[in-house]
Amino acid sequence: EPEVTQTPSHQVTQMGQEVILRCVPISNHLYFYWYRQILGQKVEFLVSFYNNEISEKSEIFDDQFSVERPDGSNFTLKIRSTKLEDSAMYFCASSEGQGKVNTEAFFGQGTRLTVV
Amino acid sequence: AQKITQTQPGMFVQEKEAVTLDCTYDTSDPSYGLFWYKQPSSGEMIFLIYQGSYDQQNATEGRYSLNFQKARKSANLVISASQLGDSAMYFCAMREVGSARQLTFGSGTQLTVLP
Repeated sequence: EPEVTQTPSHQVTQMGQEVILRCVPISNHLYFYWYRQILGQKVEFLVSFYNNEISEKSEIFDDQFSVERPDGSNFTLKIRSTKLEDSAMYFCASSEGQGKVNTEAFFGQGTRLTVV
Repeated sequence: AQKITQTQPGMFVQEKEAVTLDCTYDTSDPSYGLFWYKQPSSGEMIFLIYQGSYDQQNATEGRYSLNFQKARKSANLVISASQLGDSAMYFCAMREVGSARQLTFGSGTQLTVLP
């Protein structure tokens, strides 16, 4: 069964360092998303990406964040200068899209980012 | 106002019993979708069940069913014959047609199944 894969599963980084979280969405999907979940809290939307550009982003997704689809398969989230409060589980998701409400989003297993 | 409200931070159920996890939502869109996800302690998000706002019947998937009451804006998850492996965090989420590209999640319910 096709799945969304994320690497690494856990990353520890020094405050102020740049990190890149990687995702390989399901191959025929058109919409890609990043969500984050601070420990013990709800899952929060960060950004959605369609047709090689950001389609929506939340207030969390400030200038420190960027997303990219550098090739036909990878979808990356970059945090330029990490802060302690960026410590969270980051989920990548993809869906077939076309704007239908019943389109299920398939989630990756997550990357646990720890900023020290 | 919260778009998705889960009022039960924690629930306990005896193995083999049924349990209902509550979810209420708020939207003015006529077309929307409601989802339930399971998050075990390992952290991954597992899709369980979907209900569309225009669906006439309540969704069912194996031991999971969704008690959809549109007028009350509730979409409760019912797990029948609970198993120890059902112990996890459960999230209710909604996608609105006006923002059909993203899900809004509730705060979750931690379910513990007791032997």
